[in-house]
Amino acid sequence: DAGVIQSPRHEVTEMGQEVTLRCKPISGHDYLFWYRQTMMRGLELLIYFNNNVPIDDSGMPEDRFSAKMPNASFSTLKIQPSEPRDSAVYFCASSSFMASLEQYFGPGTRLTVT
Amino acid sequence: KQEVTQIPAALSVPEGENLVLNCSFTDSAIYNLQWFRQDPGKGLTSLLLIQSSQREQTSGRLNASLDKSSGRSTLYIAASQPGDSATYLCAASPSSNTGKLIFGQGTTLQVKP
Repeated sequence: DAGVIQSPRHEVTEMGQEVTLRCKPISGHDYLFWYRQTMMRGLELLIYFNNNVPIDDSGMPEDRFSAKMPNASFSTLKIQPSEPRDSAVYFCASSSFMASLEQYFGPGTRLTVT
Repeated sequence: KQEVTQIPAALSVPEGENLVLNCSFTDSAIYNLQWFRQDPGKGLTSLLLIQSSQREQTSGRLNASLDKSSGRSTLYIAASQPGDSATYLCAASPSSNTGKLIFGQGTTLQVKP
């Protein structure tokens, strides 16, 4: 398996623009997680899905952030409008109950909002 | 609310030393505990996962232990090498079996040649 795939790897955008981050989980995994990592706040869980259904979005900072999982092999995290304080590395991870819920992370998307 | 703490935040050792990284958690009712490695600018790589019913797991020079009663886990690295330099994070999964992980802030390890 290719592991968790994220795109783009780097994104530079101007304040106010819409940003869409993409994730393809490991085939067969039924949990998908979106995290954000910054030096100041460390690794934060934003939202996670089970069987394509959002289970806990309490970590989503505000209404500017939204996430979808239209099918088992694809998820998006959208920020609209983006702000400089959204600059961070965004990770997607997936896991499976059948594999003891061990989480596997993607390489991340480094987002810079100017 | 589960909280995970890793001490120290940074550690520097000479090559060849055996070392222990510490992780503590406030709620002993966990489903599993996972150790990760993160290299600068990279994603997290899973090293070891310990189920709540297990006491330890081993992979090569790495050994992770779990003591739920005291709320502690340790990652033991034998015969450290410069290539072990990275940030090590532990994460606990609540017993509610949600799949969710609560992360510590990590320990940044430097192994000097």
